Amino acid sequence: EIVLTQSPATLSGSPGEGATLSCRASQSVSSNLAWYQQKPGQAPRLLIYAASTRATGVPARFSGSGSGTEFTLTISGLQSEDFAVYYCQQYDEWPPAFTFGPGTKVDIK
Amino acid sequence: QVQLQESGPGLLKPSQTLSLTCNVSGGSVRSASYFWNWLRQPAGKGLEWIGRTYSSGTTDYSPSFKSRVTIFSDTAKNQFSLHLKSVTAADTATYYCATGFIVATGNTFDIWGQGTVVTVSS
Repeated sequence: EIVLTQSPATLSGSPGEGATLSCRASQSVSSNLAWYQQKPGQAPRLLIYAASTRATGVPARFSGSGSGTEFTLTISGLQSEDFAVYYCQQYDEWPPAFTFGPGTKVDIK
Repeated sequence: QVQLQESGPGLLKPSQTLSLTCNVSGGSVRSASYFWNWLRQPAGKGLEWIGRTYSSGTTDYSPSFKSRVTIFSDTAKNQFSLHLKSVTAADTATYYCATGFIVATGNTFDIWGQGTVVTVSS
């Protein structure tokens, strides 16, 4: 099983600031990595797939980068609606054994 | 636009079988464009993928659940279901059904149900 680790566990930011979230895989997942945003009481929302492609309707302030084992989600200019938990997910394994990271909580400083 | 809605009992006793159904609207479980997935999330914790089914009847299961899970679709009702045997308190979680348009987003989950809370307690 591919294990994903995320850092930091919590990121405190102010509106307008940038935020950088990291996800590391225990082995290469190529570019088969996605990012999700989850707010309290809601289902997750797909933000990024294929490491760097924004899903439909996702604002341009969200960007993803990386390949292999190191990935980054960047939020350029935090807005109030961005305070949430962010998860990375790998979908590289075959047979499928999709796994998620433990999450990074972005809260208001 | 595909929409998903979970349903099923919210309270189970240990050793029982968890049975949940996901109703699909705006699309068909017979479509080869989607995988139909189940995931779960214990309160305050992260996400776990349980498994999926496909239009051909093919299924894939997480190794963590493989020994006690079955996922299948009902084309007549346009639904897909999750059966999880021999539940324990550790199976207490919010259960989600989810899908994604394969050719667009690959093996990711861009459409989710609202989730249903399942509690296992004696």
